[in-house]
Amino acid sequence: RKEVEQDPGPFNVPEGATVAFNCTYSNSASQSFFWYRQDCRKEPKLLMSVYSSGNEDGRFTAQLNRASQYISLLIRDSKLSDSATYLCVVNPPGSGYALNFGKGTSLLVTP
Amino acid sequence: SQTIHQWPATLVQPVGSPLSLECTVEGTSNPNLYWYRQAAGRGLQLLFYSVGIGQISSEVPQNLSASRPQDRQFILSSKKLLLSDSGFYLCAWTGGINEKLFFGSGTQLSVL
Repeated sequence: RKEVEQDPGPFNVPEGATVAFNCTYSNSASQSFFWYRQDCRKEPKLLMSVYSSGNEDGRFTAQLNRASQYISLLIRDSKLSDSATYLCVVNPPGSGYALNFGKGTSLLVTP
Repeated sequence: SQTIHQWPATLVQPVGSPLSLECTVEGTSNPNLYWYRQAAGRGLQLLFYSVGIGQISSEVPQNLSASRPQDRQFILSSKKLLLSDSGFYLCAWTGGINEKLFFGSGTQLSVL
């Protein structure tokens, strides 16, 4: 089983739709989790950290389910500018300073 | 505020030529520094990381090397590039374990 797995998509949704991505991780002792956004040929940029209690930033909500070992990202009222690849990042214990990146989920928001 | 600079943005090199990519961080001291590579259509692969001057950890054996001659400078090198070295190279930094990772703008390397 891969350490961090994401559905590659693409997810094609109309503007205004709600879309959710999941990301599963294999190490149950992992302690820090993040979602990054990457535009084509650009560097990944931090979207939000994922906390145990769940957290929200505007239209974006991130949640952690430790029992099932997955994190989720919910985007409400999708905008055209949300089109990008969303990367799930996990820092398992014992990995030193190496963060594990998923391969990303591609989102395309259409007019 | 902290900033990370990486250059060049684009590089086209012939097979067998040397490589030197440089990355510098401003606004922080003793950062943890990383080099990642992203091949076309693939995920991010950690190549090297450094927790201090002269300290380099290699994650993947290959014909690349890294050096950290100064606290906020990280260099990725190769003596002879291979076709398979083509990809998007990203420098990044964090303040410590479990902290957020911040990336430079990346270098698109094409080896022909």
